[in-house]
Amino acid sequence: GDSVTQMEGPVTLSEEAFLTINCTYTATGYPSLFWYVQYPGEGLQLLLKATKADDKGSNKGFEATYRKETTSFHLEKGSVQVSDSAVYFCALINNDMRFGAGTRLTVKP
Amino acid sequence: DGGITQSPKYLFRKEGQNVTLSCEQNLNHDAMYWYRQDPGQGLRLIYYSQIVNDFQKGDIAEGYSVSREKKESFPLTVTSAQKNPTAFYLCASSIGLYETSTDTQYFGPGTRLTVL
Repeated sequence: GDSVTQMEGPVTLSEEAFLTINCTYTATGYPSLFWYVQYPGEGLQLLLKATKADDKGSNKGFEATYRKETTSFHLEKGSVQVSDSAVYFCALINNDMRFGAGTRLTVKP
Repeated sequence: DGGITQSPKYLFRKEGQNVTLSCEQNLNHDAMYWYRQDPGQGLRLIYYSQIVNDFQKGDIAEGYSVSREKKESFPLTVTSAQKNPTAFYLCASSIGLYETSTDTQYFGPGTRLTVL
C-alpha cells in the first residue's frame, strides 16, 4: 500500500538557520502531497500542498516541490524562527490518506 | 468562526470502562475522520464517515466504535476491548472524502486519553 517516509527527528537548529526535512513516498498513480504542522497540545494545520508533479507549495516562508522522478516532497525554509518549533508531518492522498511519522523541530534563539 | 471542537481536552479512564470522545464541526463538511496519534508513529486512521448514517473502519478500528447520526457530530467510543487506549485522539473533517482541491482536512485540537 501507499506510504510516507520522513526523516527522523528531533531536529534542533539555531534561529535563522536553513531547514530541510526530507519526505519520500511510495504510491501508485499520482498522489497529492501535503505538509502539516502541529504545535504543542494542538491539532494539525495544513502548511502547504502540491497536487501534481513539479508543483511547488509555499506558505509562511516554507516551500516544498513535488518531485515525481525522486518520489520526494522535501520541506525547506531559508531562515527558521523560534516560533517554527513544532512537529511537521508529510502526508499523501491517493485512494486514502497516509501520514509520515512526524519530525520534531526545535529552534533555539 | 467555523471549526472543529473536541471535548474534553484531557480525559482519564479506569481500566474496563468505556469512554466517549466528542467531535463537532460547523463547517458543513460531509466527511469526518478519527485518528490516533502515538509518539513516533504519526497518525493512524480509526474510523471515517463519508456521509451521515454511514461510517467505515480504518486501519485500527478494533476496540473502537462510532456513530454519525448528525452531519455535525462524529463521537468516538473507546471500549474496554481496546487493549492500549492511552493516546492522543484527533478528529478531522473535509468537504468530501479525501478532498484535495481545497484545504483538505481540518483538524480539531485533540483529546488526550489516559487510562489509569
